[in-house]
Amino acid sequence: DIQMTQSPSSLSASVGDRVTITCRASQTISTYLNWCQQKPGKAPKLLIYAASSLQSGVPSRFSGSGSGTDFTLTISSLQPEDFATYYCQQSYSTPFTFGGGTKVEIK
Amino acid sequence: QVQLVESGGGVVQPGGSLRLSCAASGFTFSSYGMHWVRQAPGKGLEWVAFIHYDGNDKYYADSVKGRFTISRDNSKNTLYLQMNSLRADDTAVYYCAKQGTQAYNYYSDYWGQGTLVTVSS
Repeated sequence: DIQMTQSPSSLSASVGDRVTITCRASQTISTYLNWCQQKPGKAPKLLIYAASSLQSGVPSRFSGSGSGTDFTLTISSLQPEDFATYYCQQSYSTPFTFGGGTKVEIK
Repeated sequence: QVQLVESGGGVVQPGGSLRLSCAASGFTFSSYGMHWVRQAPGKGLEWVAFIHYDGNDKYYADSVKGRFTISRDNSKNTLYLQMNSLRADDTAVYYCAKQGTQAYNYYSDYWGQGTLVTVSS
C-alpha cells in the first residue's frame, strides 16, 4: 500500500497569511494526488485534483503543485472560511489512501 | 447540481449487518464510478471501496475485504454498501462520493453528507 504523509499535522496562522501544506507519498504516484477540505461536522470538499487542477468553484487562492512523491497545497492569502482540516489522497492505485490531515487553526 | 444522500446508518451489535444506501441525482449516475469513504469519530478519512460505472469492477480496503460488499443499481441511481460481521472499529460516518470527471483518475469530486454507523453492544 502507498503511505501518504502530511506535514505539519496542525498549524496556526492569521488571516492574510500564506500557508503551505506538504504531502509525501511512499512511492511515486505521478500526479495522481488530490486535496480536499473538511470543516467540523461537514462532508469533505474537493479543492485540487491531479496535483494542480483547481476544482470548479474553488477560489484561486488555493493552488497545488508537485509530482512523483512530493506535493504541496498552498493558500496564498488565508481567509476566515479557510480554517479547516485538509487531506491529501492518492488515486494512483488501490487502496486509495489519505494522508493524516492538517488542521489549520486561527492564530 | 450533484446530490448524494446516504441513509441506512444506525446502531448495530458486533457481528451484525447493515446496508447503507446512497441516492444520487444531478448527474448521469450510470456514467461514473462511486466510492465509499469512512471517518471514525475524531479521526481522519479512510477509503473503503470503489465500484466502476457499470458495476463490473470493485475494489476494497483490506480492513473490510470479505465483510463488506459494494454494489449499485443504475436503474435506481443508487449505490449500496452491505456490511456484515461488523466490529467496533467499523464505527464511523460513512460517506459516498462520486468519481471525478477526469478520465482514468479515481478521485472524488462530490461527497454526500454521511451516515453514522455505530457498532456497540
